[in-house]
Amino acid sequence: EAQVTQNPRYLITVTGKKLTVTCSQNMNHEYMSWYRQDPGLGLRQIYYSMNVEVTDKGDVPEGYKVSRKEKRNFPLILESPSPNQTSLYFCASSLAGYTDTQYFGPGTRLTVL
Amino acid sequence: GIQVEQSPPDLILQEGANSTLRCNFSDSVNNLQWFHQNPWGQLINLFYIPSGTKQNGRLSATTVATERYSLLYISSSQTTDSGVYFCAVVRAAGNKLTFGGGTRVLVKP
Repeated sequence: EAQVTQNPRYLITVTGKKLTVTCSQNMNHEYMSWYRQDPGLGLRQIYYSMNVEVTDKGDVPEGYKVSRKEKRNFPLILESPSPNQTSLYFCASSLAGYTDTQYFGPGTRLTVL
Repeated sequence: GIQVEQSPPDLILQEGANSTLRCNFSDSVNNLQWFHQNPWGQLINLFYIPSGTKQNGRLSATTVATERYSLLYISSSQTTDSGVYFCAVVRAAGNKLTFGGGTRVLVKP
């Protein structure tokens, strides 16, 4: 089944404890991106990647890192999480870039205490 | 940046009713998608529709790119249609998806 998967789906952690949210797609998509969704602020892009080893900042990149070593994987890294990073995170992918249909993962609900 | 406005913000429907959701955008776009976020938070891709009309079962969408709006039609609504509907666009010469504020739909049995 063609899909975007994220792990974990739910995570409660404490301030300063490094964490990684994994994202993987099995559709051979070139483009991958991360979003966060917050009440009243909607969905905002954190980082995106046009292809392997090519990443760029979105609207809200502060406090996050990403890497794209393989085409299928695009992990989101929080080196020192803070409570303001409590949010619902989505990974998305598309075949040919931001002008193409975007497919979203199931979401990761993160709480930082 | 591009502005994306959705209306109405909230919609309560009786099961079986029809409804129209609207998305206005402030600039030319080369990508427009409609999503449904279900009560569990998952974003489901409904339509990729930068222009023209598409139908999928009880749902259909029309985008009039020259007038900068898109419409999502829900016919014979069911309780499973409840959730938030988002319109998202990529501005022509832009490089990211910008989401509207959503329309929260509640379908009552």
